[in-house]
Amino acid sequence: DSGVTQTPKHLITATGQRVTLRCSPRSGDLSVYWYQQSLDQGLQFLIQYYNGEERAKGNILERFSAQQFPDLHSELNLSSLELGDSALYFCASSAQVSGTEAFFGQGTRLTVV
Amino acid sequence: GDSVTQMEGPVTLSEEAFLTINCTYTATGYPSLFWYVQYPGEGLQLLLKATKADDKGSNKGFEATYRKETTSFHLEKGSVQVSDSAVYFCALSDNTGGFKTIFGAGTRLFVKA
Repeated sequence: DSGVTQTPKHLITATGQRVTLRCSPRSGDLSVYWYQQSLDQGLQFLIQYYNGEERAKGNILERFSAQQFPDLHSELNLSSLELGDSALYFCASSAQVSGTEAFFGQGTRLTVV
Repeated sequence: GDSVTQMEGPVTLSEEAFLTINCTYTATGYPSLFWYVQYPGEGLQLLLKATKADDKGSNKGFEATYRKETTSFHLEKGSVQVSDSAVYFCALSDNTGGFKTIFGAGTRLFVKA
């Protein structure tokens, strides 16, 4: 058990809908990362937050947004969903902003139908 | 920008064979290097890491040496087991105020009994 909790584990929704994925980092970790893993594109970095502030953006679509709350949990919001958004979404956390290993949650499998 | 390139898979080996998965990187600073492993249906787990040149990371019989001169961090294991079947990701994290962990595309390993 990595200590990172993601909910829900599975999500099935229709195109055009909006969903929210939740992540609770390891106790004490200030940095939260979101990644998308699809079969054809591997592991894609989406966004990082550190202690409530956005620190880095990767290949995150404008339809996606995220935030980190004062209690350090994070939410990833995906809107106007398309079939191509079906993927595994991983949250990871680390103690520092950079240079340290990340601990991954089990992921949320999103299926858009 | 920073990047990680690792050998394409899948790699198929017989039990007790020697494993090498190549990984090279480009980075402007002095990154920490990592190997993560993803077992079927699970999130990524840190396998080993090295934080500076010539460091050797090791865990569960796997080893990788941080080679600054060749910008490489190849993963090796002397005798693989069926239970090592998984996807292996090479990654780097910038230590000089950088802000995200960059992953390679992953290499799938199949070990046959």
